[in-house]
Amino acid sequence: GAVVSQHPSWVICKSGTSVKIECRSLDFQATTMFWYRQFPKQSLMLMATSNEGSKATYEQGVEKDKFLINHASLTLSTLTVTSAHPEDSSFYICSAIKREGLYEQYFGPGTRLTVT
Amino acid sequence: GNSVTQMEGPVTLSEEAFLTINCTYTATGYPSLFWYVQYPGEGLQLLLKATKADDKGSNKGFEATYRKETTSFHLEKGSVQVSDSAVYFCALSGETSGSRLTFGEGTQLTVNP
Repeated sequence: GAVVSQHPSWVICKSGTSVKIECRSLDFQATTMFWYRQFPKQSLMLMATSNEGSKATYEQGVEKDKFLINHASLTLSTLTVTSAHPEDSSFYICSAIKREGLYEQYFGPGTRLTVT
Repeated sequence: GNSVTQMEGPVTLSEEAFLTINCTYTATGYPSLFWYVQYPGEGLQLLLKATKADDKGSNKGFEATYRKETTSFHLEKGSVQVSDSAVYFCALSGETSGSRLTFGEGTQLTVNP
């Protein structure tokens, strides 16, 4: 199998605080992980591509200083939302691929972030 | 740039009805095309894919054919079940975008018994 987990599954934080979301590939090594944001009843928007041991590549319009991504190992990537604001409330989803060139992405279950 | 357009939802059907969810795309060259499904409370799962023109992807009774001439990849199933209730996403991976996916808006399907 190819299982991707996310932690936490949901989190509530106050404005101005930071929150970290973990994405783990449980039974495979992921050379590349992706972070998406999904608004209610809308599609997934790619935020950034994360490669192990290198800096993440952010999509146009995504603030890299606000959404810090660290791909520390072949099984773990983290997304830190810094100085969170209510407009950052969303569903964040990660995915992973086993190696570049293989198109299938394995998705995590998502993390619901609510900023009060 | 790449883009994917899906038919607007939600779609509500009775069990055993025929399903079509339209998907058209814009991309240069020959993208790979995918349908993902998201069941309530779960992550996205790959349902089927097609990597070249005229390929037909199929899985669990669902089918979609890669039509280059109409830039379409419509999802069909002959007889839906209640358990097919989910959100369906059409997506593409462009020739120059590696594994990065561009998603359509998603279509909510509800199947009633």
